[in-house]
Amino acid sequence: ETGVTQSPTHLIKTRGQQVTLRCSSQSGHNTVSWYQQALGQGPQFIFQYYREEENGRGNFPPRFSGLQFPNYSSELNVNALELDDSALYLCASSSGTDYNSPLHFGNGTRLTVT
Amino acid sequence: EDQVTQSPEALRLQEGESSSLNCSYTVSGLRGLFWYRQDPGKGPEFLFTLYSAGEEKEKERLKATLTKKESFLHITAPKPEDSATYLCAVQAEPRGRRALTFGSGTRLQVQP
Repeated sequence: ETGVTQSPTHLIKTRGQQVTLRCSSQSGHNTVSWYQQALGQGPQFIFQYYREEENGRGNFPPRFSGLQFPNYSSELNVNALELDDSALYLCASSSGTDYNSPLHFGNGTRLTVT
Repeated sequence: EDQVTQSPEALRLQEGESSSLNCSYTVSGLRGLFWYRQDPGKGPEFLFTLYSAGEEKEKERLKATLTKKESFLHITAPKPEDSATYLCAVQAEPRGRRALTFGSGTRLQVQP
């Protein structure tokens, strides 16, 4: 069983630039969620995709957007990067039809904005 | 608004010294409380799900319990490899909303 994979593992961007992060779901999972984890904090929910549609969003501005593809892989896009966007971005997959199944996380992309 | 508070922020134990981590929560309609372990530079690794007060789950040296206001993660005779950050998270209603609200975690260090 293939777990959740994320790319790239590390990324350095300049304030004002745009970034795209990628995630491949665990086999058999059709729901993808993205979380932002600042240093020393717990992950914060950004949004969730199910069957290629966003079906839940946390308290993040519209410059955070995403996509889910037919193969259930996903992208997180962040426009107009700010210094505070520096964090570990985590992707998690789960089964959309089994609400009791836990989220399975990838190892994240470490984004540094300078 | 759902809230999760974990204590202590950091805990240092000697190998074999048992202890407990606390997770206090405020949520409207708890669907599940989750415990995760996170190693440095890695994503959270799922440990347990608890659904209702009185429920207990065990895995090796770890035991998780749940009341209506808090959850405890008991660590019995810990080993250095148990060193990690332990995260608690809640999932609230409505059904189908998979978003988790996390606490800030407890950083556990077990010294040999």
